[in-house]
Amino acid sequence: DIQMTQSPSSLSASVGDRVTITCRASQGIGTDLHWYQQRPGKAPKVLIYNAFTLQRGVPSRFSGSGSGTDFTLTISSLQPEDFATYYCHQTYSTYTFGQGTKVEIK
Amino acid sequence: EVQLVESGGDLVQPGGSLRLSCAASGFKFNDYSLNWVRQAPGKGLEWVSFIGSGGSTTDYSDSVRGRFTISRDNARNSLSLQMNSLRADDTAFYYCVRSAPEDDGDFLDYWGQGALVTVSS
Repeated sequence: DIQMTQSPSSLSASVGDRVTITCRASQGIGTDLHWYQQRPGKAPKVLIYNAFTLQRGVPSRFSGSGSGTDFTLTISSLQPEDFATYYCHQTYSTYTFGQGTKVEIK
Repeated sequence: EVQLVESGGDLVQPGGSLRLSCAASGFKFNDYSLNWVRQAPGKGLEWVSFIGSGGSTTDYSDSVRGRFTISRDNARNSLSLQMNSLRADDTAFYYCVRSAPEDDGDFLDYWGQGALVTVSS
């Protein structure tokens, strides 16, 4: 199976900060990489699909980039509702998720 | 509005069986592939199983292959997961999840609220 490694595992940031989360695949996956946000006690929801396409209804402060093995999720200006855990997910082969990145209030 | 509602979560003893169901509404059910994704309490996401729109294509994670069986009833807009030989490490919230339309990619676009399965004596 393809291993997905996110970094960092957690981070502390303030409202208005620019936040970057990275995801590395153990082998090339093209752009079959998606990002999800999970708030406490809620189901995940998709933010970005196919590495850089913003899901309908998701604020434009979220963006994704990368291809092959290295991917990035960026939040340009962190808002209070963005404090959550973020997961990357590859669908190139048998689906696997990254371990998650928890974004906490500084 | 797309809705996925899981049911059947319960406390079960190790070695026991349980069947989860998912009732779908708000979309043309037989046009979409579906998945089960689980999350142990306080842990990350783990994909469990996939079923194609027609029901003939299925796939499983190594951790459940041979113990779990996914199925769907397109006439009733329902998805099921039969779980046998349950172990303590199967304890998790189980989410019923829709795959996005094929033309858009394989991402997971709608999630249910989850059903808790607890395996313990």
